[in-house]
Amino acid sequence: DVKVTQSSRYLVKRTGEKVFLECVQDMDHENMFWYRQDPGLGLRLIYFSYDVKMKEKGDIPEGYSVSREKKERFSLILESASTNQTSMYLCASEGIFYEQYFGPGTRLTVT
Amino acid sequence: GQQLNQSPQSMFIQEGEDVSMNCTSSSIFNTWLWYKQDPGEGPVLLIALYKAGELTSNGRLTAQFGITRKDSFLNISASIPSDVGIYFCAGQLTNQGGKLIFGQGTELSVKP
Repeated sequence: DVKVTQSSRYLVKRTGEKVFLECVQDMDHENMFWYRQDPGLGLRLIYFSYDVKMKEKGDIPEGYSVSREKKERFSLILESASTNQTSMYLCASEGIFYEQYFGPGTRLTVT
Repeated sequence: GQQLNQSPQSMFIQEGEDVSMNCTSSSIFNTWLWYKQDPGEGPVLLIALYKAGELTSNGRLTAQFGITRKDSFLNISASIPSDVGIYFCAGQLTNQGGKLIFGQGTELSVKP
């Protein structure tokens, strides 16, 4: 079974803090993704990576950056957290048939 | 941008009933995926479809890739209380994987 893990299930941060969300997959997948999910807005793609050290902007990259130093690990960085970044963050890893497997999510609250 | 219209938005059914939901688009998709999401959890992949007309089952779940490649259907037979959750469709426009376009979800409630 594909295993995608995220570093935290729940996180509370203060406005202006730098926040790191980490995602690890154990299937040697090339492509990894970061989404955020908000009521009424659905899932929106923030960034994705198709190889180590490679990244592509998604639909809503503003206020975020990413890091992919190792194939199995894809990190999402909030440089200076703001209250409008309170959300559910979901990481996904893409299999060989282009199916995406999601992690359990991180519920981030910025106060 | 591309959009997926998923319907219905919500369903309230009795245990044992069959359920049907669908996604439609004006765009042609190469892959359709169906997910289930429980509250506070990440989406779990249920079924993946790759060819127009393809019909695939996973236990009591059956999904079809529409002939026009612009739609997909998910059916759940003989629903049980643990089927409760939000079901999402997702499509890929390219045959190279990558970005998914998501439907808005169907919230299913099952009354025992």
